[in-house]
Amino acid sequence: EAGVVQSPRYKIIEKKQPVAFWCNPISGHNTLYWYRQNLGQGPELLIRYENEEAVDDSQLPKDRFSAERLKGVDSTLKIQPAELGDSAVYLCASSPSGWGAGHEQYFGPGTRLTVT
Amino acid sequence: SQQGEEDPQALSIQEGENATMNCSYKTSINNLQWYRQNSGRGLVHLILIRSNEREKHSGRLRVTLDTSKKSSSLLITASRAADTASYFCATDRFGNEKLTFGTGTRLTIIP
Repeated sequence: EAGVVQSPRYKIIEKKQPVAFWCNPISGHNTLYWYRQNLGQGPELLIRYENEEAVDDSQLPKDRFSAERLKGVDSTLKIQPAELGDSAVYLCASSPSGWGAGHEQYFGPGTRLTVT
Repeated sequence: SQQGEEDPQALSIQEGENATMNCSYKTSINNLQWYRQNSGRGLVHLILIRSNEREKHSGRLRVTLDTSKKSSSLLITASRAADTASYFCATDRFGNEKLTFGTGTRLTIIP
């Protein structure tokens, strides 16, 4: 079974430029998460999708961040414009949805973003 | 914001020894999980313990949960070089599948 796929693995951009990250979750997983992990810290949730609906985006900085999961499968996270403080690893995770399905999440390898 | 704090922040032990990491959290939880993250790789789920459980085993891993103290411990027995990684606890609350991660313990196994 293929795991969570993310691309690109690394991205270096100048501040004020836009950037986008792509994630393809495990087949059949209806719940998709985007996390940001700063150096030396644990991941922090940015947004959670149930199918194509964003059910928790309270931690997403909406002035510059946006996300979409149009067909309820793969997802894109965008930053426009990027700031120096956005340098971090962006992790995508997925899990089977529904209460009682367990709360284990399956993580992709992440995209390491460096803003210069 | 981080829900949990792992202790110690960093730990170095000789291969073959046991490693113990602790996690403290702030609010009532439904489940607590432990994840491992190797350098340059994503997080991998290790074990999940529910709030009504006190201890759980999986291979060389032993997890305890004390909800009265809002704390958990992860014991890795007979450590191996491949156990070198950062270990995070993560909690979720009743009715909410959002995971809140701790700050992590960096474990180094010395061959």
